[in-house]
Amino acid sequence: SAVISQKPSRDICQRGTSLTIQCQVDSQVTMMFWYRQQPGQSLTLIATANQGSEATYESGFVIDKFPISRPNLTFSTLTVSNMSPEDSSIYLCSTRGGSFADTQYFGPGTRLTVL
Amino acid sequence: AQSVTQLGSHVSVSEGALVLLRCNYSSSVPPYLFWYVQYPNQGLQLLLKYTTGATLVKGINGFEAEFKKSETSFHLTKPSAHMSDAAEYFCAVIRYMRFGAGTRLTVKP
Repeated sequence: SAVISQKPSRDICQRGTSLTIQCQVDSQVTMMFWYRQQPGQSLTLIATANQGSEATYESGFVIDKFPISRPNLTFSTLTVSNMSPEDSSIYLCSTRGGSFADTQYFGPGTRLTVL
Repeated sequence: AQSVTQLGSHVSVSEGALVLLRCNYSSSVPPYLFWYVQYPNQGLQLLLKYTTGATLVKGINGFEAEFKKSETSFHLTKPSAHMSDAAEYFCAVIRYMRFGAGTRLTVKP
């Protein structure tokens, strides 16, 4: 299994500012994923980040708002830019593991509150 | 399009009663199906998964689920609920990165 850590675990930010969330995996992985979980809702995929290529964004998410870096096979960052209260969510980092890369593992999440 | 539907956003059972959380999916190819549990203020923990092979899969904490292709379902069950089972449960089709809306399980003493 993959062990994923995220920093910060939570933050309270002012509108108009940006926050960068870090995700560290304990092993080298090809694919990393970023999800958003808005209050009381399910998970929505923001983007897929493969090392050595541009992140692929899902419908409704754009690079200017959620720039992603993937400098190596164990690390990724997600930036939430020009934040508004609507960005208040839990942001989760995820990767695939298991014998056939058929299991998805999640980090503990970053709880973001925008005032 | 691939999708996941969880019937019932909130399920309440008594301690010791059967737990049944429903999940239906739509997929044009054989899916990888997962159930995750999220305890309050925590991340997601994998309960169990189905990829290939035996259609009845057992997971942690006494939960199990059965893949029924004819019904496009992957319902989660536990014979006897415990207070510690109170949490949010998510069904997911991982191949398509789709999660259900979630079912909040409440266990009454």
